[in-house]
Amino acid sequence: NAGVTQTPKFQVLKTGQSMTLQCAQDMNHNSMYWYRQDPGMGLRLIYYSASEGTTDKGEVPNGYNVSRLNKREFSLRLESAAPSQTSVYFCASSEYGGNSPLHFGNGTRLTVT
Amino acid sequence: GEDVEQSLFLSVREGDSSVINCTYTDSSSTYLYWYKQEPGAGLQLLTYIFSNMDMKQDQRLTVLLNKKDKHLSLRIADTQTGDSAIYFCAVNFSGGYNKLIFGAGTRLAVHP
Repeated sequence: NAGVTQTPKFQVLKTGQSMTLQCAQDMNHNSMYWYRQDPGMGLRLIYYSASEGTTDKGEVPNGYNVSRLNKREFSLRLESAAPSQTSVYFCASSEYGGNSPLHFGNGTRLTVT
Repeated sequence: GEDVEQSLFLSVREGDSSVINCTYTDSSSTYLYWYKQEPGAGLQLLTYIFSNMDMKQDQRLTVLLNKKDKHLSLRIADTQTGDSAIYFCAVNFSGGYNKLIFGAGTRLAVHP
């Protein structure tokens, strides 16, 4: 039972490069999320998808785009990476929105030079 | 605004109890959560409490909620070295679509 799987685990980009972070869940959850984690700041929500076919901005969406490809997959794209986007990115899913617990992947550590 | 605050560091001796505290601003949250993060890993749900409860016990874990003071705590009894991790408090504000706000995390260090 894999849960939430993120790829890649590590990535180094140069400023201005683009990349897509992949996320898939096998729990048949309706809702999926992307967070970033920075030292001393907890987790901040970038985008979320309440259900297949919908996406909404979170707390820090600037510089990112997302795609809910199907019920299982939710990708995060950086079109033109900036050093301020150096962070650890976590994908999460929940059975339904509102108050169901989040299940997290193991994260992608991204460095932008 | 919406905010969740935690102290950043706690050091305890093995076998003692650990108490990790969390305060939050105005909330209509139904659930309040505690997550654990071990090095290099994602966040793992430890426990949660309904906002209409004052206390929840789950083996070595006890969660206390004081809604009047907007204070949540996590007590770990008989703390072990395997409990060393970062612990995050998370609160769902305003019933927004799973708008969980996380605290900055408390790093728990357990020493012999």
